[in-house]
Amino acid sequence: EAGVVQSPRYKIIEKKQPVAFWCNPISGHNTLYWYRQNLGQGPELLIRYENEEAVDDSQLPKDRFSAERLKGVDSTLKIQPAELGDSAVYLCASGVADTQYFGPGTRLTVL
Amino acid sequence: GENVEQHPSTLSVQEGDSAVIKCTYSDSASNYFPWYKQELGKRPQLIIDIRSNVGEKKDQRIAVTLNKTAKHFSLHITETQPEDSAVYFCAASSKTSYDKVIFGPGTSLSVIP
Repeated sequence: EAGVVQSPRYKIIEKKQPVAFWCNPISGHNTLYWYRQNLGQGPELLIRYENEEAVDDSQLPKDRFSAERLKGVDSTLKIQPAELGDSAVYLCASGVADTQYFGPGTRLTVL
Repeated sequence: GENVEQHPSTLSVQEGDSAVIKCTYSDSASNYFPWYKQELGKRPQLIIDIRSNVGEKKDQRIAVTLNKTAKHFSLHITETQPEDSAVYFCAASSKTSYDKVIFGPGTSLSVIP
């Protein structure tokens, strides 16, 4: 069984530029999460989807971050414009009920 | 909301010794406690989890114990090996927060050959 797929794996951009991350969850997993992980810290939830509905986006900085999961499968997370403090690893996870499986993450560096 | 604390932040053990990582949580309604292992530059991987209806769970060299009264849970790794070296995260979630998983800050485990 394929795991959670994310792309790109690495992204380097200059501040104020836009950036987008893509996630393909494990087949059959209705729940999809986007996390941000700063160096030396645990993952922090940005947004959680149940199928195509965002059920928890309380931690998403909505002034610059947006996400979508139009058909209830793949999802994209966008940052526009990026700031220096956005440098982190962005992890996607999928699961059934409360059990989650993580993707490899996208390491974002904002210069 | 839920708050998860984890100790120690770093842990060094000799190969073959046991390692214990302890976590506490604040929300008494939390009922699911997963543990993740994250090697450098890799994804967090679920290694074991426990639900509030049991007090202990084992899987080969790893075990997790849960004390609901004290609101703490622990990860035990026996006969440690160098490949156990990684950052370990505990987490907690509850139905009252719609299964939102809150992670601890992590413990960096080093197993010295």
